Amino acid sequence: DIQMTQSPSSLSASVGDTVTITCRASQSISYALHWYQQKPGEAPKLLIYAASSLQSGVPLRFSGSGSGTDFSLTISSLQSEDFATYYCLQTYTSPRTFGQGTKVDIK
Amino acid sequence: QVTLKESGPVLVKPTETLTLTCAVSGFSLRNLRMGVSWIRQPPGKALEWLAHISSNGEKSYSTSLKSRVIISEDTSKSQVVLIMSNMDTVDTGTYYCARVRSDYLSAFDIWGQGTMVTVSS
Repeated sequence: DIQMTQSPSSLSASVGDTVTITCRASQSISYALHWYQQKPGEAPKLLIYAASSLQSGVPLRFSGSGSGTDFSLTISSLQSEDFATYYCLQTYTSPRTFGQGTKVDIK
Repeated sequence: QVTLKESGPVLVKPTETLTLTCAVSGFSLRNLRMGVSWIRQPPGKALEWLAHISSNGEKSYSTSLKSRVIISEDTSKSQVVLIMSNMDTVDTGTYYCARVRSDYLSAFDIWGQGTMVTVSS
């Protein structure tokens, strides 16, 4: 199985900050990497698909980059509604695997 | 509008078999670009992918759970069913179904609200 290692596991930031979350795959997954945001009590929401494509309706402050084994999600000018947990997901091969999550909270 | 809605028992006993249904609307399970996956999340823990079924009926399973899980579909009813046998307390959590888009490199673009399942005697 492909292992997805997300870092950091948590971070504290202030409104207006730029934050970057990374995800590393244990082998190359090309561009088959997606990012999700999850708030307490809610289902995950797709933010970025295929490493860098912004899902419809998602604010432009969210961006993704990377290919192969190393990927990142950047949130520019963090807003109060962005405090949540973020997950990466690889769909290059089965079984699909998620990262362990990154919790972004208020400093 | 695309929606997915999970349903099933709230409480199951250890060793019992869990059957969950995902009712989809707004898209067809016969659409070659679509599939459905099941994902679960224990309380306070990370997401875990369980199983997938594609529009051509091809199925795939989590390595650790494949001996206990079966996924199937009823296209006439627009439903995808997940069956998990020999339930244990560690299987407690929220179970989600999600639409998979092959044109998005198989991203899960729309999720159901989830259904909480507690395993307890």
